[in-house]
Order: sequence, then C-alpha cells, then structure tokens
Amino acid sequence: QSVLTQPPSASGTPGQRVTISCSGSISNIGSNFVHWYQQFPGTAPKVLLYRNNERPSGVPDRFSGSKSGTSASLAISGLRSEDEADYYCAAWDDSLSGWVFGGGTKLTVL
Amino acid sequence: EVHLVESGGDLVQPGRSLRLSCAASGFTFDDYAMHWVRQAPGKGLEWVSGISWNSGSAGYADSVRGRFTISRDNAQNSLYLQMNSLRTEDTALYYCVKGNSSSWTHIWFDFWGQGNLVTVSS
Repeated sequence: QSVLTQPPSASGTPGQRVTISCSGSISNIGSNFVHWYQQFPGTAPKVLLYRNNERPSGVPDRFSGSKSGTSASLAISGLRSEDEADYYCAAWDDSLSGWVFGGGTKLTVL
Repeated sequence: EVHLVESGGDLVQPGRSLRLSCAASGFTFDDYAMHWVRQAPGKGLEWVSGISWNSGSAGYADSVRGRFTISRDNAQNSLYLQMNSLRTEDTALYYCVKGNSSSWTHIWFDFWGQGNLVTVSS
C-alpha cells in the first residue's frame, strides 16, 4: 500500500486532455512539493515535472501539474500515442523523514 | 551527459548479503546527494535510501533500516548499497538516482540509472 494514492489506470483518445490524481496527507503533499516521473516499459523513470508544475528542458508544455491542499494532479493535453507510459507522483514526507511515491498510473492511449 | 551505471546485482539466498555499486559520470559527483530507489517486478517505485553530498547525512526507508547501509566515495565517483539479511521481498530492480541538490531531503530526483536486478530466493 503506497503512502500516496493514484488511480491504477487512466485512458484517453488522441488529442484529448487527461488528468491523473495523487492524494496524500499533510505530512507529504500538504507540506512539500510534488514531483512527477514518467516510465516507459523496460526503461528507467525520468522526471516529468518537479516542484508541482515545473518542466525540465525537453518536456513539452502539454504536461502540467497542480497542487491543492493534500492532493496534486498531472494533466496531459493534446494526448499522443507516445504518452502511453506509467506515471508516478512523489513527495518528501516530514513524518517518515523519507521519500514516498504513489503506486503509479498506467496511461493508455486508445 | 549524466551516466549512472549500477552493478553487483545477483541471485542470493535469504539471509545473505550483497553490495551494489553505482559508477557516476558526466557531473560533479561530490556536489550532489544520491539515492537508491527500487522497483519489484511488475510493481511501483519505492525509495530505499539517500545520502548527502559529503556523507554527513543519510536516510532509509523503514523497510530496510537496520539492514541496508548507503555509502559513497567521492574520489571514485561511486555510490554503494550494502544489503544484509536479505529477504525475498527485497527482490527488485535497484536504481541509482541523482538528486538535484546536495541534500537528500526535499529535492527531487533528476537522473536515473538503468537499474540492476537483485533476486532473493532459496
């Protein structure tokens, strides 16, 4: 059972906008930044968004993030087939004094 | 370009020990915190341990505290994970991960190695 809660799956058609939620508590999301990681099958994760909604160079602006209270979300607009991957949220947890991840959301582009 | 290459993974019996290594290149190693993150087969990501730039501070997940020890050798640009009293539930792909600052707390992971498989089974 992951400390951060994500839906196990999400889907959308090309061009659509999809969102993936990440729910936590006051000790993690409620007090710290949320970061998002993207993982394609058989490859290592890579950072997609950091500090809630900042994009590393090379990440398209179709990807955006938001945070409110103890929840965060990742939004992907103009969905493309190459966006099909697993997405993980992560945050520092002040109570655990460690990093916590969501269980991951498998995004399918129909 | 940042490169993180893990090694040392193997098939071991429960209760035995194993040491993972990570060779880093492409950045000033002793400026950054480093971490180990693992992924059990078909499962999600789990943070294992992190260490500050100068080894002055380190942290562990509850699941490994007291059994695993993280260390680094800045002269060799290398990160290590000593794993003792291994359990079947430690079976996973172990990633060497670079932090985005000198501290292992609060700051995100910006580069990941390709991972090294540890299998614990009798």
